[in-house]
Amino acid sequence: AQTVTQSQPEMSVQEAETVTLSCTYDTSENNYYLFWYKQPPSRQMILVIRQEAYKQQNATENRFSVNFQKAAKSFSLKISDSQLGDTAMYFCAFTLYGGSQGNLIFGKGTKLSVKP
Amino acid sequence: GAVVSQHPSWVICKSGTSVKIECRSLDFQATTMFWYRQFPKQSLMLMATSNEGSKATYEQGVEKDKFLINHASLTLSTLTVTSAHPEDSSFYICSAGPTGTYEQYFGPGTRLTVT
Repeated sequence: AQTVTQSQPEMSVQEAETVTLSCTYDTSENNYYLFWYKQPPSRQMILVIRQEAYKQQNATENRFSVNFQKAAKSFSLKISDSQLGDTAMYFCAFTLYGGSQGNLIFGKGTKLSVKP
Repeated sequence: GAVVSQHPSWVICKSGTSVKIECRSLDFQATTMFWYRQFPKQSLMLMATSNEGSKATYEQGVEKDKFLINHASLTLSTLTVTSAHPEDSSFYICSAGPTGTYEQYFGPGTRLTVT
């Protein structure tokens, strides 16, 4: 069975600084996708970034980037130039390629607070 | 694009009654949709996989007779909480993704309160 672990229940960062959220996962499969989702106080889940396991290049989306280490089964999220609107719960998620399409396994989340 | 809606956003019902929650993909078709439950300050727990035109697949520990799922079209899945009890009070979220992709887009969620 696949598992996703987020070891940081809460983090805080000053506005305009950089923060990294950690995520590790466990799987015996070779083909899968990894995601970071953001859940602000409105509770709407928002896709932040995705990474295909077969791609060696780390994904980037504007201020968001990942450090994907497949051998170490690590998938951290870096937020640059943090903004107040980045305050939210962040969930790391995993899905198998070829499995039930979109069946996501979530970590427990990291609560990020951006301070002015 | 890739918008998922959910209705209602908030519902209060009395113990013993049933409540239906709708999940719609507005600008794409989805053969599969997913229903999650989220307790306060916790992560999302997958309840079931809704398959268009066939029976839903439930996760272990989820009562299929209490949480009825119907996926009658490529854009609509419904979750009916039957004979609701206070312990069913929770935040229910659906997700869907365009057929052939692995991305999931989430509805805004439904807060259910059973009194």
